Amino acid sequence: ETGVTQTPRHLVMGMTNKKSLKCEQHLGHNAMYWYKQSAKKPLELMFVYSLEERVENNSVPSRFSPECPNSSHLFLHLHTLQPEDSALYLCASSQDPHPAGETQYFGPGTRLLVL
Amino acid sequence: AQTVTQSQPEMSVQEAETVTLSCTYDTSESDYYLFWYKQPPSRQMILVIRQEAYKQQNATENRFSVNFQKAAKSFSLKISDSQLGDAAMYFCAYRPERNSGGSNYKLTFGKGTLLTVNP
Repeated sequence: ETGVTQTPRHLVMGMTNKKSLKCEQHLGHNAMYWYKQSAKKPLELMFVYSLEERVENNSVPSRFSPECPNSSHLFLHLHTLQPEDSALYLCASSQDPHPAGETQYFGPGTRLLVL
Repeated sequence: AQTVTQSQPEMSVQEAETVTLSCTYDTSESDYYLFWYKQPPSRQMILVIRQEAYKQQNATENRFSVNFQKAAKSFSLKISDSQLGDAAMYFCAYRPERNSGGSNYKLTFGKGTLLTVNP
């Protein structure tokens, strides 16, 4: 596998379920990101990790819990979600979170539906 | 707060023709980067082109070029010789060069323009 991969590609869950999204980057990058893409809205940055340390938490509700066990893997743990959390969740990575011109490489996303 | 506006929700172009996608942004920063990302139906977003605000010369990448007007805070994308594979959602994005009382990790995206290429 090359680039940034995400599993699962599609997920349907009830509001009481607990699930996890997984992201893996095969690019040797040091920074990883979670974004939320909702219909008719711009992409929203959720979390940033640099060398496994969370450096940005963009006012995300606690029902979303990120985990970065190493620089290649990033998880998003989900619990007691709401229907409005249904969206495409994109993972991205970059060599470093700085400089600002650094290219971010995106995964294909996980399409989440909360019933 | 920085905002990015893409005023064209949808655009269409004939194959081999040229199309321009518009983007405006609002910022009080002087140093920043602007990006155009492409998201094809497969959903994997990829970088198309990048512009440093301190550079006056417009960035070009093969058939893709930008018209960067810093004073007007405008950053349009021109696609020449459009191909069927160019059909996608195009996102304009902004990121400040340095912290200014807050984080500069954040890429601020516009809502996107859906480009259709007609054969």
